[in-house]
Amino acid sequence: AQTIHQWPVAEIKAVGSPLSLGCTIKGKSSPNLYWYWQATGGTLQQLFYSITVGQVESVVQLNLSASRPKDDQFILSTEKLLLSHSGFYLCAWSLGTGGYEQYFGPGTRLTVL
Amino acid sequence: GDSVTQTEGPVTLSEGTSLTVNCSYETKQYPTLFWYVQYPGEGPQLLFKVPKANEKGSSRGFEATYNKEATSFHLQKASVQESDSAVYYCALSDRGTGYQNFYFGKGTSLTVIP
Repeated sequence: AQTIHQWPVAEIKAVGSPLSLGCTIKGKSSPNLYWYWQATGGTLQQLFYSITVGQVESVVQLNLSASRPKDDQFILSTEKLLLSHSGFYLCAWSLGTGGYEQYFGPGTRLTVL
Repeated sequence: GDSVTQTEGPVTLSEGTSLTVNCSYETKQYPTLFWYVQYPGEGPQLLFKVPKANEKGSSRGFEATYNKEATSFHLQKASVQESDSAVYYCALSDRGTGYQNFYFGKGTSLTVIP
């Protein structure tokens, strides 16, 4: 069975500080990977997706970047946090292209002060 | 661009009553439609997906029919339980974006009172 792990579970960071969030998928080789952001009480906004190692596509620009250094790992980062970055960050995976469903991880709660 | 519009919440129901959450969508190309459910502090869970027009998806007593003519995908349940209290999201992906971009509605918060 596939499992998806996100770290850290929660972060409290200062405005202007750097950020790195991680996501690991186990039990599935070469998944498509996705990052989402969710404001408190808000909808899910897709940020990035990756079909293969080293290749990341941006969907929305929020002064964030993403990388896929390994087949099973997806990293979300920024060098300078803004207050508007606060929210719930979710990693998801799917089997591939073609209308496959996405499966979400448990999320990371980020508070920027 | 693609968009999804769903029932504004919050919705409060008594146990045993029926639920309908409306979902309408706009897309130019061959969407696959999804319903997700999210419990507090957790990631969304897939309820079901329907890739083809005029087909029905169902899970856990919930169901929705992909109505291509009306561009709708309304979620229904005949008798809700307190455990159904959650936020429900309608979503779509389409061939125009290679099915890589997912568009979610704003979510409908459901509270079921025992």
